Amino acid sequence: QKEVEQNSGPLSVPEGAIASLNCTYSDRGSQSFFWYRQYSGKSPELIMFIYSNGDKEDGRFTAQLNKASQYVSLLIRDSQPSDSATYLCAVSALYKAAGNKLTFGGGTRVLVKP
Amino acid sequence: DVKVTQSSRYLVKRTGEKVFLECVQDMDHENMFWYRQDPGLGLRLIYFSYDVKMKEKGDIPEGYSVSREKKERFSLILESASTNQTSMYLCASSLLAGVGVHTQYFGPGTRLTVL
Repeated sequence: QKEVEQNSGPLSVPEGAIASLNCTYSDRGSQSFFWYRQYSGKSPELIMFIYSNGDKEDGRFTAQLNKASQYVSLLIRDSQPSDSATYLCAVSALYKAAGNKLTFGGGTRVLVKP
Repeated sequence: DVKVTQSSRYLVKRTGEKVFLECVQDMDHENMFWYRQDPGLGLRLIYFSYDVKMKEKGDIPEGYSVSREKKERFSLILESASTNQTSMYLCASSLLAGVGVHTQYFGPGTRLTVL
């Protein structure tokens, strides 16, 4: 069983609509949760991180965390064609002295159609 | 802004060659990481380092070694390149403590092809 699970998609969303991405994780000791966006052929870039249960908003993006259900989600409001990319969920876990090994999900591909 | 740079965007090598991939970060981050990314397999951690001269194996260290002689520089070494090491290699760095701890920032990646 994968430690961080995401639906691979593609998630097709009309321009202007809300895209909803989900991620589940298996390690109850996970402390920090991240969403990265990755365009084809490019490296991942950080969208936002969340540490506490509840919602965190940053512009058109909202991350939601529910540690009891081991679930983290990302909402993209007013989706634009430029949001078409693969979105990676990452979860940190304590790991030896480093303390911050990230485990990545396989990513969800999002297609925003004009 | 955090800046992570990698020595090459594209690299073509022959089987059996020794390959060096270099990564430099300019934000005084303690942690540095090397990943490879393959279609269908996602991002997989090869090695990481939390201090100069310190290293830890990740999930797929076989066939690789690393070197961290200075805090800002982390090198990945393929001792004898093989075709199954053809991949996108990504370097990342992060703080060990403080605001934004655990957030990893990625370099642009090196697409390595081994013939």
